[in-house]
Amino acid sequence: KNEVEQSPQNLTAQEGEFITINCSYSVGISALHWLQQHPGGGIVSLFMLSSGKKKHGRLIATINIQEKHSSLHITASHPRDSAVYICAVSGGETSGSRLTFGEGTQLTVNP
Amino acid sequence: ETGVTQSPTHLIKTRGQQVTLRCSSQSGHNTVSWYQQALGQGPQFIFQYYREEENGRGNFPPRFSGLQFPNYSSELNVNALELDDSALYLCASSLVGVDGYTFGSGTRLTVV
Repeated sequence: KNEVEQSPQNLTAQEGEFITINCSYSVGISALHWLQQHPGGGIVSLFMLSSGKKKHGRLIATINIQEKHSSLHITASHPRDSAVYICAVSGGETSGSRLTFGEGTQLTVNP
Repeated sequence: ETGVTQSPTHLIKTRGQQVTLRCSSQSGHNTVSWYQQALGQGPQFIFQYYREEENGRGNFPPRFSGLQFPNYSSELNVNALELDDSALYLCASSLVGVDGYTFGSGTRLTVV
C-alpha cells in the first residue's frame, strides 16, 4: 500500500462544476502539499497545509490531521484547470524533508 | 527572485551511456532534491543534497549519483543507462528546516 493515496485517478468535468480530489496518507507528517502539473512536466505548488483550511481564488484545500485525509476543491471549474493534481507529504520521522507523492489525479474540464 | 532552472529540457541517450542533468536552485534555497517520474506515475525520491553532501537517498542504485556545488546548484549523474531510466527528472529546491519547495520544469530523458 502506498503511503499517499489519491482518488479519483481520472476525473472529467464540465465547465462550471465543483470538483473534489481526495488524498489519504498513512505516515506522520509535518505538512501536506497540493501540486499542479501541466503536460510540459513542470510542477507548481498550490498549497502547503499543516492544519485546517486554505483558500486561493477558486481553489480550497482542507486537511484533517486526525483522519490523515486532505481534499482539494475547485469551484466553478474552467478548461484551464485541466492538469494533473498531485498530493504529497513531507516531514515524517523517516522521510524528513523529502516529499512522498501520490500517483496524481488527471483532471479534464470540458467547455 | 529566480526560480529553479533545469537543463537540458529533453535528452535522448543510448542504453549503456552516461548522462548528466543540471539544476540551479532558487535564490535563498540551500537544499536540492531530485525525483524521477515515470509516465503516468507520481514522482519518486532519488536523493537530496545539503551543504554539498548527500542528505537522504531513496531506493535507487549507486549508478544514480549527484553533486551539489557551493552556489547550491546540483547535478544528477546516471551511469550505464537502462531503458527503464526513461522518465521525467525533476529537481526541487528548498531551505532546510522550512517546508516549501520550488520545482524546475524537468528534464525528459529517453533511453533507446
